[in-house]
Amino acid sequence: EAGVAQSPRYKIIEKRQSVAFWCNPISGHATLYWYQQILGQGPKLLIQFQNNGVVDDSQLPKDRFSAERLKGVDSTLKIQPAKLEDSAVYLCASSLDGLAGDLGFFGPGTRLTVL
Amino acid sequence: DAKTTQPPSMDCAEGRAANLPCNHSTISGNEYVYWYRQIHSQGPQYIIHGLKNNETNEMASLIITEDRKSSTLILPHATLRDTAVYYCIVRVSPWSQGGKLIFGQGTELSVKP
Repeated sequence: EAGVAQSPRYKIIEKRQSVAFWCNPISGHATLYWYQQILGQGPKLLIQFQNNGVVDDSQLPKDRFSAERLKGVDSTLKIQPAKLEDSAVYLCASSLDGLAGDLGFFGPGTRLTVL
Repeated sequence: DAKTTQPPSMDCAEGRAANLPCNHSTISGNEYVYWYRQIHSQGPQYIIHGLKNNETNEMASLIITEDRKSSTLILPHATLRDTAVYYCIVRVSPWSQGGKLIFGQGTELSVKP
């Protein structure tokens, strides 16, 4: 089975520029997560979708970050405008609901460097 | 979701068992213990999870104390490829009951030849 796909893998931008990341979850997975991982720290949950609805976005800095999941499949995460402290790896994960299947499969991440 | 406490780092000799502890003293009755690991430059990878019984799969064993306030992940024969950061997470499952994957700092395991 294909895993979670993310693109791009790397992105370098200047501060105040905009950037977007794309995630394609595993087919049939209803739940999708976006995480931010700053170097040396554990991943921090930014937003959680169930199908195309937001379950939790309490940690998403909504003044500059936005995310959508149209049609309950692919998702994009946008930062506008970027700050230096946004330099991090952005991870996407998906999971299949259910007691046995709710494990969370992660993509390889997008490494963002803001100069 | 309950918080967890893990040692920041551990060493293990190649071929020996690696025992990674996790404290979760505030765990609720409906919260599961999950373990993930993250190898350098990769996304986290699911290892194992359990509620109250000990669990074993092809990767590892999970031992949960009777009071469920702590657990130990056991890698029975550690190899150099097991060098990674290991995260212990407690959460409700499935998501529809409010479960989220909330990561702490994890334990950095170094397997040495």
